[in-house]
Amino acid sequence: GQQLNQSPQSMFTQEGEDVSMNCTSSSIFNTWLWYKQEPGEGPVLLIALYKAGELTSNGRLTAQFGITRKDSFLNISASIPSDVGIYFCAGRTRSQGNLIFGKGTKLSVKP
Amino acid sequence: GAGVSQSPSNKVTEKGKDVELRCDPISGHTALYWYRQSLGQGLEFLIYFQGNSAPDKSGLPSDRFSAERTGGSVSTLTIQRTQQEDSAVYLCASSSAEDTQYFGPGTRLTVL
Repeated sequence: GQQLNQSPQSMFTQEGEDVSMNCTSSSIFNTWLWYKQEPGEGPVLLIALYKAGELTSNGRLTAQFGITRKDSFLNISASIPSDVGIYFCAGRTRSQGNLIFGKGTKLSVKP
Repeated sequence: GAGVSQSPSNKVTEKGKDVELRCDPISGHTALYWYRQSLGQGLEFLIYFQGNSAPDKSGLPSDRFSAERTGGSVSTLTIQRTQQEDSAVYLCASSSAEDTQYFGPGTRLTVL
């Protein structure tokens, strides 16, 4: 079946530093989404991407839909303590309604 | 508040019992999804409802799992004869056009 490889699995950064995480898939996706999940909560949508090559920002977050349609990255600039959480990528192929999720990147930010 | 709501927020049950988990999607959203998230893991797709179409049940792990969506709105996920490996957070999401999905807070199920 389709798989999403998300990396890194976890990362530690200093407040103020930029961080980057990415996802690659074995299939071509027509939608990429990035979510953040905090303890005890459901995932919250951060950025949605619908076109190959699309680069979209949401505040300090920037995500891109890879040209090959098989990858996406998320950058967080100038990280702050409230960025702590688990970030999930998710994608969908043209033929499916459900999303396929990566296993998440756990971000820790040291003040 | 117009977000996705789920109930109960926590459920503790004994092995072998049946449980029902409820999801109220965002009003007007035609698509509804159920996912399962085990501790420290990503989200595992279970079932997907889109309008009046037959649901996509391809993610249900066994025949002990079933779901209904009544009147195109509220959905109930039922797990029969629960097992310890069913312990997880069950998340519901809804979307307006098979696209961006908005998640509820989840139901944490613990099977003793």
